[in-house]
Order: sequence, then C-alpha cells, then structure tokens
Amino acid sequence: EAGVTQFPSHSVIEKGQTVTLRCDPISGHDNLYWYRRVMGKEIKFLLHFVKESKQDESGMPNNRFLAERTGGTYSTLKVQPAELEDSGVYFCASSLGQTLWEEQYFGPGTRLTVT
Amino acid sequence: AQSVTQLGSHVSVSEGALVLLRCNYSSSVPPYLFWYVQYPNQGLQLLLKYTTGATLVKGINGFEAEFKKSETSFHLTKPSAHMSDAAEYFCAVRGIQGAQKLVFGQGTRLTINP
Repeated sequence: EAGVTQFPSHSVIEKGQTVTLRCDPISGHDNLYWYRRVMGKEIKFLLHFVKESKQDESGMPNNRFLAERTGGTYSTLKVQPAELEDSGVYFCASSLGQTLWEEQYFGPGTRLTVT
Repeated sequence: AQSVTQLGSHVSVSEGALVLLRCNYSSSVPPYLFWYVQYPNQGLQLLLKYTTGATLVKGINGFEAEFKKSETSFHLTKPSAHMSDAAEYFCAVRGIQGAQKLVFGQGTRLTINP
C-alpha cells in the first residue's frame, strides 16, 4: 500500500511569488491534515479535511494560505503571495477515521524556502 | 500554557547506552499521547501511543514509554541505543477540546555516539 506522498519535495521561491504544494493521502483515507514546521519551532497544525470539507482550519496563519481538496482525494495548499516567514517544512498526514487514538500517517514533507 | 513540553532539544548517548527522551504534558490535556520519529529525509512515523489501559506502552524498534498521570509525563526509553536510532523524536497529544489535530512538542534530536 502506498503511503502519503507530497510534491514537490523542495521548493525555492522568491518573496511575492506563488507556490502550490500537493498531498496525496493513502487511498481510502477520508481525513487529511496539513501541518507546518518553521525552522527551530514545533510542528504546528494548519487544517483538517474530512473528504472535501474543511473540518478545522483554526491553524491557518492568514488569508495568503488556501487549501483545497476537490473530490475528496488529493489536496493542494497554495501560498499567495509567499513571505519570508512562510519558509519551513509542510507535512501532510491522513487517517481512515476520526477516533482520537487512531494513527495519522505522515508524508515526507515539502521543504519550502522563500528568499 | 504549552500543552506538550520536550525537555532537551538535543540528546546524545553512546551506542549501547540507555535512551531517555523526556515529555511532559499539561494536566488539562486528555490522555491520547503519541511518540513519533522522523528519520532523515523521511516523514514522521508512529513509534507508540497511549490511549487507555496499561500505562507502560511498548512500541516499535524496542522503544517503550510510561504514562505517569501523577507526574504528567510520558517519557520515551530504550534500554540499549543503536546507531540506527539517530533521528528526531516528537511527543504529541491529541484531543484537546475534542479536536482531531495533533499538538506537538518541540522535538528532540537524538545522536548516537559509536
């Protein structure tokens, strides 16, 4: 069974540009999560999809970030326009159900560098 | 207040020595506690989790953790370190105010000395 995949693995963009990150969850997983780790800080939650609906977007830092999950399969996270403080590693995770003890399976992350 | 605190951003031990990575949580959080590990160039992998029941939890690769409610701790241990254990380790909690999200500690990078 394929794991969670993320694309690209690395992205270097200039301040003001737009970047789109993609996450493909494990097949059949209705729950998809985005997290971010800024350099030197802890991993922080961004948002949670259940199928195509946003269940919790309390962690989205501002309106420069737009997440979508059309059709309830893969998800994209767009940053527009990118700022220096957006640099970090963006992780995607998925899970089958929503029980609190259920494992979230993580992808390898996308390292975003904004210069 | 920080929900999860990992004491020590870097820990270094000799191969064969005891590994102890510390995690304390806020007493207000529910007891859904997790340890994840991130090996270089890989995603986070679940090591073990505590939900209910036995307070000593065994995980993969010889790791275990003990849930101590009185100390609000969930420390990760391994009796004998191996070079392949070098990685970054994250303690996390889930279920704060019923939310699905994981709340992570700051991470501890474990180095194994030959």
